[in-house]
Amino acid sequence: SQQGEEDPQALSIQEGENATMNCSYKTSINNLQWYRQNSGRGLVHLILIRSNEREKHSGRLRVTLDTSKKSSSLLITASRAADTASYFCATDGSSNYKLTFGKGTLLTVNP
Amino acid sequence: NAGVTQTPKFQVLKTGQSMTLQCAQDMNHEYMSWYRQDPGMGLRLIHYSVGAGITDQGEVPNGYNVSRSTTEDFPLRLLSAAPSQTSVYFCASTRANQETQYFGPGTRLLVL
Repeated sequence: SQQGEEDPQALSIQEGENATMNCSYKTSINNLQWYRQNSGRGLVHLILIRSNEREKHSGRLRVTLDTSKKSSSLLITASRAADTASYFCATDGSSNYKLTFGKGTLLTVNP
Repeated sequence: NAGVTQTPKFQVLKTGQSMTLQCAQDMNHEYMSWYRQDPGMGLRLIHYSVGAGITDQGEVPNGYNVSRSTTEDFPLRLLSAAPSQTSVYFCASTRANQETQYFGPGTRLLVL
């Protein structure tokens, strides 16, 4: 079963705008990760936030985690056409080698 | 480092045929996993291994076998291919004390 559910399923914005994607999950976690997948490619790790953290930044990425609501958000600021990709959240549950992925958000950044 | 490599990139099978999807990593990672990705879906875990000689089932193991004879290699075998196994297959690896998984480029499988 899918642990994470991303929202929205698809998002289309203009270059320079901010993009926000949300993820909800069902069970307790040690950490939550976000991955990016360009069309036809493998997944690339973007950022990880631990269950005792509330916010984390990496470059143009900002991730928040609310364990009471079992939800996370990924904000990409000043988006670029190269950010066009699918974005997935993944939770680890009890082990780092058994990630559970959501269905993803397809982000399209129009030049 | 080549990272995680997968072969073949694309394969067409007929129902009932068997085949092996290859996965190798040169990062000396203890943990390796196989996922499948279906249209509009996230990745689902098929099998995983925490070290040479140790494997276990994930969420969707039926119809697949794995073995781990070396740290570097983790092949996935389809015993008797079915159209429901049409999917994109990803191999991933990570260290025992690391959370980030490193993914291969994927194998696109079509079963007719």
